[in-house]
Amino acid sequence: GQQLNQSPQSMFIQEGEDVSMNCTSSSIFNTWLWYKQDPGEGPVLLIALYKAGELTSNGRLTAQFGITRKDSFLNISASIPSDVGIYFCAGGNDYKLSFGAGTTVTVRA
Amino acid sequence: DVKVTQSSRYLVKRTGEKVFLECVQDMDHENMFWYRQDPGLGLRLIYFSYDVKMKEKGDIPEGYSVSREKKERFSLILESASTNQTSMYLCASSFRQGPSYEQYFGPGTRLTVT
Repeated sequence: GQQLNQSPQSMFIQEGEDVSMNCTSSSIFNTWLWYKQDPGEGPVLLIALYKAGELTSNGRLTAQFGITRKDSFLNISASIPSDVGIYFCAGGNDYKLSFGAGTTVTVRA
Repeated sequence: DVKVTQSSRYLVKRTGEKVFLECVQDMDHENMFWYRQDPGLGLRLIYFSYDVKMKEKGDIPEGYSVSREKKERFSLILESASTNQTSMYLCASSFRQGPSYEQYFGPGTRLTVT
């Protein structure tokens, strides 16, 4: 599969903070998607992006499909405790997805 | 709501055993996928299927095989389980047309091979 570099690897959030994560690749993708995985569960689709430059929101989540088609970012505004989990980016080509290694979000004590 | 179910949440098998993992989806999706998830590596595609009786190798097919006899069911088979196949296994499905990249996942099967 194609290599995706997702950063940061992990982050701590404080309730009310805005957080951001991104994904880059040396390959061009036709689509970018963002998933969230809670402990012991399968990933759940958050946002799908189909057009270069597209900016899409889903509640407090905002994601963008990079203009070069080689990157994407996800922002979470006004974070809440249930935002903890692992966030994955995925790039799509030929009806298949390649996944990043994930960003683990935990609550700062 | 899309529902993807997997036959077991947790499984413990011995080295050399034949292991079957089953996945069923109820949304009439044409595409079905098997991934394994390991810490720090994300999700890696093992096999996928675009149609009944059709299968394609993913990125890490060695040591695995699959079967798709019915549209809603996709099975992953470990012919002779080894300890390096201890992992979380995730099944997913999607449409062939339209939003075909939007894959929906099952809850996963955590397999331990001892």
